[in-house]
Amino acid sequence: EPEVTQTPSHQVTQMGQEVILRCVPISNHLYFYWYRQILGQKVEFLVSFYNNEISEKSEIFDDQFSVERPDGSNFTLKIRSTKLEDSAMYFCASSESSSGGYNEQFFGPGTRLTVL
Amino acid sequence: GENVEQHPSTLSVQEGDSAVIKCTYSDSASNYFPWYKQELGKRPQLIIDIRSNVGEKKDQRIAVTLNKTAKHFSLHITETQPEDSAVYFCAANNYQLIWGAGTKLIIKP
Repeated sequence: EPEVTQTPSHQVTQMGQEVILRCVPISNHLYFYWYRQILGQKVEFLVSFYNNEISEKSEIFDDQFSVERPDGSNFTLKIRSTKLEDSAMYFCASSESSSGGYNEQFFGPGTRLTVL
Repeated sequence: GENVEQHPSTLSVQEGDSAVIKCTYSDSASNYFPWYKQELGKRPQLIIDIRSNVGEKKDQRIAVTLNKTAKHFSLHITETQPEDSAVYFCAANNYQLIWGAGTKLIIKP
């Protein structure tokens, strides 16, 4: 069964550094998402992406964040200048259509980001 | 924007008993309500979902009910088993999937 994959599984970085988190969505899916989960807390929506552009973003997704689909398979989240409070598990997800169209989102295993 | 409240935060039940987790949402335009199960250190996995045009849905031991008027929805797990132990999240969608705070379900042997 196809799965969403993410790399790396764990990223440690210094405050102020840029990080890029990578995701490979399920191949026939068209909608892509990033979420974050601070340890022990709820999952928070960051951004959704369709047809090479952002379709929705939350208040968390400020100018420090960007997303890109650089090729036909990868979907990346970049944090330009990391802060301590960016430490969290970041989940990528994909769906055949948007959740506005009622389709299940499949989640990757997550990247644990630790900012020191 | 949408706000989802989830209760209880922790639920401990005897193996074989039923468990009920409740959520409320604020945005009447939300139209899709999934429930995710997350085991420790793992990704969330969908266990059941319901659309706004349906009042109830059942899948073996799991059922979800939706009351659109009251803006609340509930997860029911019957005949609980040790492998049901996990954190359960409800969510509501209106273009953004907004999650509840989670319920830690503990199944006592």
